[in-house]
Amino acid sequence: ILNVEQSPQSLHVQEGDSTNFTCSFPSSNFYALHWYRWETAKSPEALFVMTLNGDEKKKGRISATLNTKEGYSYLYIKGSQPEDSATYLCAFANAGGTSYGKLTFGQGTILTVHP
Amino acid sequence: NAGVTQTPKFQVLKTGQSMTLQCAQDMNHEYMSWYRQDPGMGLRLIHYSVGAGITDQGEVPNGYNVSRSTTEDFPLRLLSAAPSQTSVYFCASSSAPLGGREQYFGPGTRLTVT
Repeated sequence: ILNVEQSPQSLHVQEGDSTNFTCSFPSSNFYALHWYRWETAKSPEALFVMTLNGDEKKKGRISATLNTKEGYSYLYIKGSQPEDSATYLCAFANAGGTSYGKLTFGQGTILTVHP
Repeated sequence: NAGVTQTPKFQVLKTGQSMTLQCAQDMNHEYMSWYRQDPGMGLRLIHYSVGAGITDQGEVPNGYNVSRSTTEDFPLRLLSAAPSQTSVYFCASSSAPLGGREQYFGPGTRLTVT
């Protein structure tokens, strides 16, 4: 079983604050790293899929970076809004071994943005 | 375009009963997966399929059975429900295997086994 860790587990910020979370994953046999946003009572929705070391992706106020050599990805939210409150999941896709082709999810970071 | 649909949304079973959770997608995706989500844990892969007639086990396959007779449908069968299978189940589909493309998730089925 592959180890995908997210930190922090939860985060409370004020509206307008910028924030970031970390996803750590194995640095060998890397294929892809996914980020999902999961709002309460809804299903997870994809934010980014990153496949290359050094990748940087951006969608509005949310951006992500990827370091496959050291096995981590950062998700940044600039100027947090209450509607950004959600659980943010990362998932690692392995390119080898018995986990080939399967996504392993982290436990998620729960973000609460207070007005 | 409905995306990924799941039925039922809620289900209560007694220990030992069997049932099938339905999943369908209308995006012509080859790759489909079943996950379960438990408090304090990430989504865990139960079974997945890379195309009609091809399925494989994920991280937590015991007590579950799948088949894939069409591209659109990927039902999950609970053979003899146990309280440990109380969970929220998500079906997902993707246009590519190997995690190379985003997963599209269904709305989930909340299952309680008493």
